[in-house]
Amino acid sequence: QQQVKQSPQSLIVQKGGISIINCAYENTAFDYFPWYQQFPGKGPALLIAIRPDVSEKKEGRFTISFNKSAKQFSLHIMDSQPGDSATYFCAASSGDDKIIFGKGTRLHILP
Amino acid sequence: KAGVTQTPRYLIKTRGQQVTLSCSPISGHRSVSWYQQTPGQGLQFLFEYFSETQRNKGNFPGRFSGRQFSNSRSEMNVSTLELGDSALYLCASSFTAPGFTSYEQYFGPGTRLTVT
Repeated sequence: QQQVKQSPQSLIVQKGGISIINCAYENTAFDYFPWYQQFPGKGPALLIAIRPDVSEKKEGRFTISFNKSAKQFSLHIMDSQPGDSATYFCAASSGDDKIIFGKGTRLHILP
Repeated sequence: KAGVTQTPRYLIKTRGQQVTLSCSPISGHRSVSWYQQTPGQGLQFLFEYFSETQRNKGNFPGRFSGRQFSNSRSEMNVSTLELGDSALYLCASSFTAPGFTSYEQYFGPGTRLTVT
């Protein structure tokens, strides 16, 4: 119940296309859903986060869509660029409990 | 403002030895969390400290321990190292504790530990 299931494991998208990464959870107590971006040799960096009182949050080319009833949330990267090639992690937490991470998605944007 | 720093960046140890890793959070941040990252298991939570108190602990054996000092710097210790402890150990800091609406974690570059 504490898991966050992330898909796909890897994703290849053409430059300019839309990259979509999905996550699903079981614990309805989760109330914080961040996405992290990690480049090789670096630690993860917070990209964007959402709380369940909104269904969508957009920051630049990055959008989180949140479906509370389906217990799913997704990251959309519009106009994907080669510089977006990285590993992306979704995560979730409940109150002051620890953050649970998905297994990650390796995204490769073709130039 | 300087980011989260971790030392050392790379470490090679022998099975059975013990190791101490250090983390300096962003200035003003009082929460420090530690994670183990491996290709197979992904990012797994080890423990979280806030104002020198351990608030959360992950599902790791007692060989893994940590502490936080009054200046918010944190150390984690792994005793009796096993081959499976080879991983990237990440530290993350936050100004607030988990549960606050302003909670945001900032990760350091990690310490790559190799156990031979």
